[in-house]
Amino acid sequence: EPEVTQTPSHQVTQMGQEVILRCVPISNHLYFYWYRQILGQKVEFLVSFYNNEISEKSEIFDDQFSVERPDGSNFTLKIRSTKLEDSAMYFCASSGPPGQGALANEKLFFGSGTQLSVL
Amino acid sequence: SQQGEEDPQALSIQEGENATMNCSYKTSINNLQWYRQNSGRGLVHLILIRSNEREKHSGRLRVTLDTSKKSSSLLITASRAADTASYFCASAGNTPLVFGKGTRLSVIA
Repeated sequence: EPEVTQTPSHQVTQMGQEVILRCVPISNHLYFYWYRQILGQKVEFLVSFYNNEISEKSEIFDDQFSVERPDGSNFTLKIRSTKLEDSAMYFCASSGPPGQGALANEKLFFGSGTQLSVL
Repeated sequence: SQQGEEDPQALSIQEGENATMNCSYKTSINNLQWYRQNSGRGLVHLILIRSNEREKHSGRLRVTLDTSKKSSSLLITASRAADTASYFCASAGNTPLVFGKGTRLSVIA
C-alpha cells in the first residue's frame, strides 16, 4: 500500500538554526499538509498546499516557516530560525487522488513524523 | 474554531468489551473523520461520515453523527489489545481539518 514517507525521523538542532523537514507524499495525491504535535497534546494544523501554492495556513505558520514542492515528489517544510517552542513531532500528510472527485481535507494519509528537538 | 474535542480523555477496558468515544465540535461541518494514532506514529484514517449521514459502519467500527448537537461517537465493538491507541476526531468544514486532544484507549488482555 502506498505511504507517505518522512525524513529524518529525528532531528536535533540548536536554537536559531535552520531545519528542513522532508516528505514524499503519495504519488498521485493532489493535496499536501503539514501538522505538528507537541508531546501528549493535540495535532495542530500548520499549512496546506495545492496546485503548487499554499491554500491555507494557521497562525503558527508565520514568516519563519515555508514550504516547497521542488520537484514532482518531495514536499519540504523549512523553519528558518528555530525556537525552543518549535520542538514537536512534525507530520506530513497527503490526500486527494485525482479522478475521484476528491476534495481537500478528506481521508488524509500521514507519515510517521519527524521528531524535532530544539536545544 | 471548529475543533473536535474528544471525551473521555482516557478509557481503559477489558478485551472483548465495547469502547465508546465521543466528540463535540463547534461550527457547521461538511464531514467528520476519526483517526487512530499508535504511540509515536502518524495518524491513520479510520472512517469519514458526511453531514447528511447519521450512522456509518466499517468492520468493528460504528460512527454516529448528530449535527443538531454537534457531536459524534465512535464505537469499537469486541475490542482487542491491538486497538490500544489514541483516537482523534477531526471536523471538516470550509477550513482545514482540526484535531482535538484525543481519547487514549487502553485495551487490557
